[in-house]
Amino acid sequence: DAGVIQSPRHEVTEMGQEVTLRCKPISGHNSLFWYRQTMMRGLELLIYFNNNVPIDDSGMPEDRFSAKMPNASFSTLKIQPSEPRDSAVYFCASSSLAGRGETQYFGPGTRLLVL
Amino acid sequence: AQTVTQSQPEMSVQEAETVTLSCTYDTSENNYYLFWYKQPPSRQMILVIRQEAYKQQNATENRFSVNFQKAAKSFSLKISDSQLGDTAMYFCAFMKPQGGKLIFGQGTELSVKP
Repeated sequence: DAGVIQSPRHEVTEMGQEVTLRCKPISGHNSLFWYRQTMMRGLELLIYFNNNVPIDDSGMPEDRFSAKMPNASFSTLKIQPSEPRDSAVYFCASSSLAGRGETQYFGPGTRLLVL
Repeated sequence: AQTVTQSQPEMSVQEAETVTLSCTYDTSENNYYLFWYKQPPSRQMILVIRQEAYKQQNATENRFSVNFQKAAKSFSLKISDSQLGDTAMYFCAFMKPQGGKLIFGQGTELSVKP
């Protein structure tokens, strides 16, 4: 079975540009998570969805970040406008419905560099 | 708020030897979940082992085992017969009983030397 799929794997963009990261969760999983990894802050949750509904978006840095999950097999994380401090590795993870400590399976990540 | 602390930024071990990575956490919850994830140079996050706090028995997965001390809020990872492929960053993580987000420690970079 395919794991969590993320695209693109690498993205280099200039400050002010819009960036869209994509994620396809494992088939049958009902929960989807977006994490960001930086040297300064480590791994932190940005937002997560249960059954396509956002449950906790307290980690979303500011209005420049938005996330959607239009259906059970696709999610996007958008940054508009991007800034150099957004440079990080962005991970998508999925699990069966979050509620009993289900294991989260991570995608390969998207490495974003904003110049 | 829950916190997870890994006090060893870096560790090294000789191939075939045993190494223990430390993790402590702070929570007022009674039931929760603890995880160890491995991140090799490829940056892929890979689950190593999972522990449910209500289970007294320590989890084991082949060469990987944990020492879960609930009262001390300690969750260490022991790697036996270390292999070169074990070289990676190791993250300890906490999850509340109702699920949701993982709260990660800062990570321990493990190098296995031939």
